[in-house]
Amino acid sequence: DTEVTQTPKHLVMGMTNKKSLKCEQHMGHRAMYWYKQKAKKPPELMFVYSYEKLSINESVPSRFSPECPNSSLLNLHLHALQPEDSALYLCASSQGQLAGGLDTQYFGPGTRLTVL
Amino acid sequence: AQSVTQPDIHITVSEGASLELRCNYSYGATPYLFWYVQSPGQGLQLLLKYFSGDTLVQGIKGFEAEFKRSQSSFNLRKPSVHWSDAAEYFCAVGRTSYDKVIFGPGTSLSVIP
Repeated sequence: DTEVTQTPKHLVMGMTNKKSLKCEQHMGHRAMYWYKQKAKKPPELMFVYSYEKLSINESVPSRFSPECPNSSLLNLHLHALQPEDSALYLCASSQGQLAGGLDTQYFGPGTRLTVL
Repeated sequence: AQSVTQPDIHITVSEGASLELRCNYSYGATPYLFWYVQSPGQGLQLLLKYFSGDTLVQGIKGFEAEFKRSQSSFNLRKPSVHWSDAAEYFCAVGRTSYDKVIFGPGTSLSVIP
């Protein structure tokens, strides 16, 4: 199984709402990633978890809060978002054995988020 | 600082024609190079990667890429394009000391019958 699943596929939320994005993998990977992708742009790294510990936070605003409850699951909690946060949010995982971002990353299909 | 450029924003090719997508990087040491493809509405999929060794790398879906240190390039090629190859292609560079891959701006590929 080389699949990364993400739920929901689409999410519409107001600026005062609290919602969560979920990502799951069952490949035994120990590194998991959140990316944000705006239309016609490359993915931008937000967070990296390595062995269930947050190893990279790319200066992401605190209205985005990641959580890694176990090695298979990664959540992104959303609160008080702005319309400019509307984007495709991609999750990825990798084995986590190689230093740096050199592992092959397996991406999920993403959650399309719209903030009204 | 490392960076990746993809000079072509959009390319259109006929089905069955050959394809070359350009990628140039800026990095002081030997880079670790990747090509990813993103089909519409999908996540990214790794096509191939170069770490060391043979400078001609074979990937999935019939793609190959050649690392040319003298030109700081890592161009992606395919001898005969299929309609299903229409997608966004991202070149990326990685380092050993940091858990981050830098993506280029992407090249959008259209395939006409």
